[in-house]
Amino acid sequence: NAGVTQTPKFQVLKTGQSMTLQCAQDMNHEYMSWYRQDPGMGLRLIHYSVGAGITDQGEVPNGYNVSRSTTEDFPLRLLSAAPSQTSVYFCASSPPPLVGGGSYNEQFFGPGTRLTVL
Amino acid sequence: AQSVTQLDSHVSVSEGTPVLLRCNYSSSYSPSLFWYVQHPNKGLQLLLKYTSAATLVKGINGFEAEFKKSETSFHLTKPSAHMSDAAEYFCVVSGLNNAGNMLTFGGGTRLMVKP
Repeated sequence: NAGVTQTPKFQVLKTGQSMTLQCAQDMNHEYMSWYRQDPGMGLRLIHYSVGAGITDQGEVPNGYNVSRSTTEDFPLRLLSAAPSQTSVYFCASSPPPLVGGGSYNEQFFGPGTRLTVL
Repeated sequence: AQSVTQLDSHVSVSEGTPVLLRCNYSSSYSPSLFWYVQHPNKGLQLLLKYTSAATLVKGINGFEAEFKKSETSFHLTKPSAHMSDAAEYFCVVSGLNNAGNMLTFGGGTRLMVKP
C-alpha cells in the first residue's frame, strides 16, 4: 500500500512551458485534492474532486486544470507556467465525509512536488 | 465560510519545557479540526483530529489539543518538548463547500526547540 504518490519530486520550468504533475492513490479514496504551499500562507486548495468524472475549483484555480478519469489518478496541469506558480504542490486523498455529516475524515498527503518557474 | 488563524508564526522553547501552539477558527458548520505536522522537506502528517466526540483529543508523539467552542480555539500542547518536535505545525478546519471535503489551513507555526 503506497498511499499517495506524486511525480516528479522536483521540476524546473521556463515561463510559458506547460507540464503535468502526477498524483495517484491506491486506497480507493473518492476525494482527491491539489494544494499549493507558499511561505506564511499554509496550504491553499487549487482544485478538488469528489469522484471520477467530477472536479471543482478551490481557492486558487487560475492557471491550472485537472481531470479525474479514474478513482486512482488526479493529474494537475499547468497550461502556461508563470513565476507566480513557483511553489510546493501537494496532492491529498480521503474517503468522503462520514454518514450524517458534521464529521470529516483526515486527508492523506503525498510527499509533494517542488516546482520552480524561471 | 471558514477560516483558521494561528496566532504565532514562530515559537521557540527549550528541550523539556512545555509547548503551546495557538489556533483560533471560524466555521459556519460544526467543524472537524486537525493538527498536521510537517518536518523539513517532508509531506504532512496527521497529529490529531477533533470530530465532535471528546473535546480533549490525544494525538501521536505526546501531543494533545482541546476544543473550546466558546472560545473557538483548538490549541495544541505537549508537556515536554523534544528536539525531534522541531517542525512546522498547521491547524486545519474541515467543512463542506458544495460537495467537497474542504480543508482550510492556518498559516503555520514553526516550532524551534533549543537544547
